[in-house]
Amino acid sequence: DARVTQTPRHKVTEMGQEVTMRCQPILGHNTVFWYRQTMMQGLELLAYFRNRAPLDDSGMPKDRFSAEMPDATLATLKIQPSEPRDSAVYFCASGLVSGETQYFGPGTRLLVL
Amino acid sequence: GDSVTQMEGPVTLSEEAFLTINCTYTATGYPSLFWYVQYPGEGLQLLLKATKADDKGSNKGFEATYRKETTSFHLEKGSVQVSDSAVYFCALSDRFSGGSQGNLIFGKGTKLSVKP
Repeated sequence: DARVTQTPRHKVTEMGQEVTMRCQPILGHNTVFWYRQTMMQGLELLAYFRNRAPLDDSGMPKDRFSAEMPDATLATLKIQPSEPRDSAVYFCASGLVSGETQYFGPGTRLLVL
Repeated sequence: GDSVTQMEGPVTLSEEAFLTINCTYTATGYPSLFWYVQYPGEGLQLLLKATKADDKGSNKGFEATYRKETTSFHLEKGSVQVSDSAVYFCALSDRFSGGSQGNLIFGKGTKLSVKP
């Protein structure tokens, strides 16, 4: 049963620290999405990759957030420096260019103190 | 732009009650429609989908019919169980709806609590 995996599952850090979240998409999937979920804003799309190329990162605060796909099996989302308002659950999802369904990972729950 | 509106929760039902969660959409073209479910502490899971008008998606006793005339995709279940307690998200794909990226546009989610 192929699944999207995310690490770490939980992260507590202090304001100003760097945070790196990792995602392993389902093997063979060529689109990767990063979402952020908060009580106030709901589910927000942060960035989107197709065949490892970033296509849309308009939802991401550019000054502190960065997203990359070093290879087809790894996507990363980095926050530097982190702020308390970044506290949220961050989800990665993957899918096929030819399809529409997105498959979500379990999320990284981030708390910035 | 495209958007999804779903009924606000929380919705609280007794076990074996009938469930309806309303979802309406605004889109150009012919989007595919989805319901995702999020159980506590987990990521979103696809529950069902429909790709064209009058299609009915179904899974685990849940059903939703793609109604183009009313731009709706309401989720229904005849008899809910405690294990159905979760947050339900309606979504559309803009892939064939004038959008260029194939993104999913989500509603804000409806929390369902089922009491024994």
